[in-house]
Amino acid sequence: DVKVTQSSRYLVKRTGEKVFLECVQDMDHENMFWYRQDPGLGLRLIYFSYDVKMKEKGDIPEGYSVSREKKERFSLILESASTNQTSMYLCASVGLAGFNEQFFGPGTRLTVL
Amino acid sequence: AQTVTQSQPEMSVQEAETVTLSCTYDTSESDYYLFWYKQPPSRQMILVIRQEAYKQQNATENRFSVNFQKAAKSFSLKISDSQLGDAAMYFCAHREYTDKLIFGTGTRLQVFP
Repeated sequence: DVKVTQSSRYLVKRTGEKVFLECVQDMDHENMFWYRQDPGLGLRLIYFSYDVKMKEKGDIPEGYSVSREKKERFSLILESASTNQTSMYLCASVGLAGFNEQFFGPGTRLTVL
Repeated sequence: AQTVTQSQPEMSVQEAETVTLSCTYDTSESDYYLFWYKQPPSRQMILVIRQEAYKQQNATENRFSVNFQKAAKSFSLKISDSQLGDAAMYFCAHREYTDKLIFGTGTRLQVFP
């Protein structure tokens, strides 16, 4: 089974802190994604990556950056956390083969105080 | 811009009954994929069912089936013989050619005994 793991289920940070959210997948998937989930808004794409060291902006990249130094790991970085970044963050991956299904991690609930 | 609309924020159903969740989408592509994802209270998003747009036959997975109306750009999910474990948030999603998913805002399904 594909497994996508995220470094924390719950995280509390202070305004202005630099925050790292880590995502690791174990199925050698090429594509990885970061979403944020907010009530009434569904999932919105922040960034995605097609390959190591490659990244593209999604629909809401402002205030975020990403890093993909290894194929299995995709990190989301909040350079200076703000209260409006309090949200649920979901990581997903998908391979080029197969049925195009995105596999999701369990999510990280981030609270910025 | 591609959009996915779920017009029912909440739905409820009694155990063993049937419920239908609605989804409409907008796209200029002729070939694409549509998905229904389920997010139980534990938050791990899992795939329920997928539909390839070029296939006329509606997809079915056990108690879950879809009514795919390509001309109307409609993609509803029918859950038959509802079970308590079906209670979750359900997200409809459309996949672009780039593997990016566009999600609807979700429908929260409650199942009553």
